[in-house]
Amino acid sequence: EIVMTQSPASLSVSPGERATLSCRASQSVSSNLAWYQQKPGQAPRLLIYGASTRATGISDRFSGSGSGTNFTLTISSPQSEDSSLYYCQQYNSWPLTFGGGTKVEIK
Amino acid sequence: QVQLQESGPGLVKPSQTLSLTCTVSGGSITNGSYFWGWIRQPAGKRLQWIGRVYSNGNTKYNPSLKSRVTISVDTSKNQFSLKLSSVTATDTAVYYCARVGDIFHNWFDPWGQGSLVTVS
Repeated sequence: EIVMTQSPASLSVSPGERATLSCRASQSVSSNLAWYQQKPGQAPRLLIYGASTRATGISDRFSGSGSGTNFTLTISSPQSEDSSLYYCQQYNSWPLTFGGGTKVEIK
Repeated sequence: QVQLQESGPGLVKPSQTLSLTCTVSGGSITNGSYFWGWIRQPAGKRLQWIGRVYSNGNTKYNPSLKSRVTISVDTSKNQFSLKLSSVTATDTAVYYCARVGDIFHNWFDPWGQGSLVTVS
């Protein structure tokens, strides 16, 4: 099973200050990585798939990069509504696995 | 646009079987481009993939749950279902159903709102 490790566990940034989230896989997942945003009491929402492709309707503030074992989600110029939990997920190998999440606070 | 909604009992006794149904609206579950999946999230813990089903009934499960999981599809009702047997307190979680990205790539979009199931 591929273990997904996210860092940092939590992150606090000011509005307009770039936020950088990391996701590392225990073995290569190629570009088969997705990012999700989850607000309290809500289901996750797909942000990025294929490591760098934004899902339909997702703001261009969100961008993904990386391949192999190291991936980054960048929120450029975060807004208050971007305060959420963010998860990565690999879909290169079975079983599908998720990271532990990064909590982002925009203050 | 496609929407998914979970339904089922919120409380299950230990050793019994957890049963949830996901109703798909705004699109057909027989759309050949997609699988349909279940994911769960224990409180404060990471998401865990449970399994997926295709409209012809073909399934794939997480090995850690495989011995206890059955996912099935009812195309006449545009629904798919999850059964998890011999539950314990560790199966307490919010259970989500979701559409799988496409037949080659297993991301999840969209998701249902989630259904909290407590084993007690």
